[in-house]
Amino acid sequence: DTAVSQTPKYLVTQMGNDKSIKCEQNLGHDTMYWYKQDSKKFLKIMFSYNNKELIINETVPNRFSPKSPDKAHLNLHINSLELGDSAVYFCASSQVTRGVIQETQYFGPGTRLLVL
Amino acid sequence: QKEVEQNSGPLSVPEGAIASLNCTYSDRGSQSFFWYRQYSGKSPELIMFIYSNGDKEDGRFTAQLNKASQYVSLLIRDSQPSDSATYLCAVKPDYGGSQGNLIFGKGTKLSVKP
Repeated sequence: DTAVSQTPKYLVTQMGNDKSIKCEQNLGHDTMYWYKQDSKKFLKIMFSYNNKELIINETVPNRFSPKSPDKAHLNLHINSLELGDSAVYFCASSQVTRGVIQETQYFGPGTRLLVL
Repeated sequence: QKEVEQNSGPLSVPEGAIASLNCTYSDRGSQSFFWYRQYSGKSPELIMFIYSNGDKEDGRFTAQLNKASQYVSLLIRDSQPSDSATYLCAVKPDYGGSQGNLIFGKGTKLSVKP
């Protein structure tokens, strides 16, 4: 009964390939996120998404695209992978209710991507 | 550019001591503040959140917020070796604005020595 799950856990691929990471949450939350954690452990928001609004961090290359088939899923597609894309990618979810400022984000276990 | 600053450490304390972790943030309009713990190779997990000036206690953990100084801290009393982890400070910069995007600091690595 994992709250936020990601697949795969590990992903090793060659430069130039296209890959996807899947994320599912069973918490009934309305907002999902993708974060990138680099080798220095810096956790940085890439996207946040609910059924109304996609917010893209302007520093994220357009090779990265989130796709949400439904409210419980937010997948991450990466085109033309580069060496610098190697990192741990975390999915997270929260229930964002206007007027409630302390909503908690729950993180998935992470996907460790290595681009060779 | 909204920023969250933490001392990267490592911070080393003996077992049973108080560990003090500090965080400053640049956006004066920030409304809510979170402390996450991340064990090596694991995902971040929430320890506490705080949004009012003052102290908030939960077991061995106390979060302290001073909005005037743009400063938030986490105290861990009676530190245990199992508390050894990286502690991430996160700030939600805009109340009522874009959905819950958090800005994380780079984390402070805590080591509790038996």
